[in-house]
This record gives sequence, C-alpha cells and structure tokens, in this order.
Amino acid sequence: QSALTQPASVSGSPGQSITISCTGTSSDVGLYDSVSWYQQYPGKAPKVMIYDVNKRPSGISNRFSGSKSDNTASLTISGLQAEDEADYFCSSYTPSSTLLFGGGTKLTVL
Amino acid sequence: QVQLVQSGAEVKKPGASVKVSCKASGYTFTGDYIHWVRQAPGQGLEWMGRINPNSGGTGYAQKFQGRVTMTRDTSTSTVYMELSSLRSDDTAVYYCARVAVAGTLRFDPWGQGTLVSVSS
Repeated sequence: QSALTQPASVSGSPGQSITISCTGTSSDVGLYDSVSWYQQYPGKAPKVMIYDVNKRPSGISNRFSGSKSDNTASLTISGLQAEDEADYFCSSYTPSSTLLFGGGTKLTVL
Repeated sequence: QVQLVQSGAEVKKPGASVKVSCKASGYTFTGDYIHWVRQAPGQGLEWMGRINPNSGGTGYAQKFQGRVTMTRDTSTSTVYMELSSLRSDDTAVYYCARVAVAGTLRFDPWGQGTLVSVSS
C-alpha cells in the first residue's frame, strides 16, 4: 500500500493559520476515523498532537485542530508560533489492520 | 511517569540480525499494545508492526513479513523487535510506541529511538 499523501512543505508567518492535508483512499482515511497527527523535531521522537481525526491529548495546545472530509484529513495550526516549526506526519489504519503514515510535511515559520 | 526506554545504537553487517529492546514503565505493561516504527535518515515514518504484550499476538507490515519478529517478556516489561537479513537500506532509527488509548493511533509515549546502522 502507498503512503498517505502530504505536501512536502508549508510555511506561514507568526500569528497566521496553516493547514496540512493528508490524502488517502476510501480504504484508509476515508474508511476509518482513526487519523492521527504527529509532530517531530529534528533528532527527536514524534509526539502525538491529534488522534481519532480531531481529539487532542491533554497538554496539547488548542491551537492544533484536526478534521476530515472524504479521503482527506487536515491538521490546522492557528496562531502560528516559532516553536511550531517541525515535521508533521499523519497516519491511518487500513482494513488489513495495518497502519499507513504520510510522507511528512516540513512546517517553516517565517 | 509512563516511559519507554530503548536499547542503544547498533552497527551490523549486511546479512546479520539485530534485536532492539523497549522497556516499559509507569503503567500496566500488559494493558496496551506496542507498535514499532522506523525512520531512515532524512525520510518519513514507516510502520513495521505491533505486539499485544498480554497475549504476545503480533501483526506485521507485509514488507517485513518473514524478516521481523516481535516478542515480549512480561517479567521485565520489555518488548523486542528482531530484524533479520539486514540490508543497507535497513539503516534507520527504530522507535517503539505505546497505544495510550485502545483502538486508536494515539501513540504516547514513544521510545527515544535506536539507531541501527548496516554497513559492510
């Protein structure tokens, strides 16, 4: 199975909002409400920011939100801050009880 | 606090095997699945498989079927990932991650990662 499709990079200025898309198929993103989003700084382990499409773990800023429409999930970061500059990955279950990740998106805060 | 601590970096020759450990603490070890994910240098995340620490049941990505084995030791709250017939493109950081909420992909926490380098 192919990886989920994410833009390679996005950028925004402090205070702005950005959205990162994650496109799959009707057999993964479109089928399950299991999409998660992870933030990763260079040389560090990933950290979950959103799970089950739009749920935020405790301690995660409400500037981070998730949504899904058909086969595309989205991560929106509002009130962009310098500390948000990182790589972001999405993931989804598949019918074969396996897991797919997106290729990752590098967020640059200008 | 809930923590996953992985074993140290490994250097292996092509064709060899590597076994990475992931020791859990701060929660009921048998209560939550553990997944393994790897990341080649400068690349994205790649799912390898998962283990149910309670039953020992496993599920692997098709790409790794026949080459990967995940096991657990409930007496030490440790899971293991063994990858055989190593190739240069297996050079990556290998992570374990706990499923914090059953039935979700809320991986929390992740281990610190183990760098496996494969080179002749």
